[in-house]
Amino acid sequence: GNSVTQMEGPVTLSEEAFLTINCTYTATGYPSLFWYVQYPGEGLQLLLKATKADDKGSNKGFEATYRKETTSFHLEKGSVQVSDSAVYFCALSPRVNYQLIWGAGTKLIIKP
Amino acid sequence: NAGVTQTPKFQVLKTGQSMTLQCAQDMNHNSMYWYRQDPGMGLRLIYYSASEGTTDKGEVPNGYNVSRLNKREFSLRLESAAPSQTSVYFCASSEATGENYGYTFGSGTRLTVV
Repeated sequence: GNSVTQMEGPVTLSEEAFLTINCTYTATGYPSLFWYVQYPGEGLQLLLKATKADDKGSNKGFEATYRKETTSFHLEKGSVQVSDSAVYFCALSPRVNYQLIWGAGTKLIIKP
Repeated sequence: NAGVTQTPKFQVLKTGQSMTLQCAQDMNHNSMYWYRQDPGMGLRLIYYSASEGTTDKGEVPNGYNVSRLNKREFSLRLESAAPSQTSVYFCASSEATGENYGYTFGSGTRLTVV
């Protein structure tokens, strides 16, 4: 079946540190992959996406590369800010229906 | 540009009471979804509507009903609320496939059942 596994949080970093949040998946076929962000008290927002192997999604300084060989879609940012504190969700679309399969979310805390 | 609008934002119910959560989108999206979010459980799909006139059960449909009133509106009804339904509820919408465009989410309804 389809599933998404994210690293458990919370992840606590100092401002300007390098960020990696791991995401691996299992899927039949060739899914599309997404990262969503949820700021405190808000709904989820699409952060970036990749629709095929080796694609790199990027937005707001965040990047993730679709790695088919390792079934991974790790989220990275070179220098985090306090305003990046949020919960980050990895998700996949199996493309055979309308649903997204979600990871459990990783809470990121950035300290000044 | 409103996107996805949910009402109410907060609600407290007594066990056994009923209520309807409203959701409307102004992006002309075909598909709409209701999720619940619980600590440590991520997002779980309750019901979805692939297009106007159709609805289908998701992962956790028990205790809920939905209505796709028109292309814009998708409501979620709790007929007899239970404490286990205490959660944050999100409505979302997407293009027909959702594979390339992702979902647009509302800001959520925080429901407490006492």
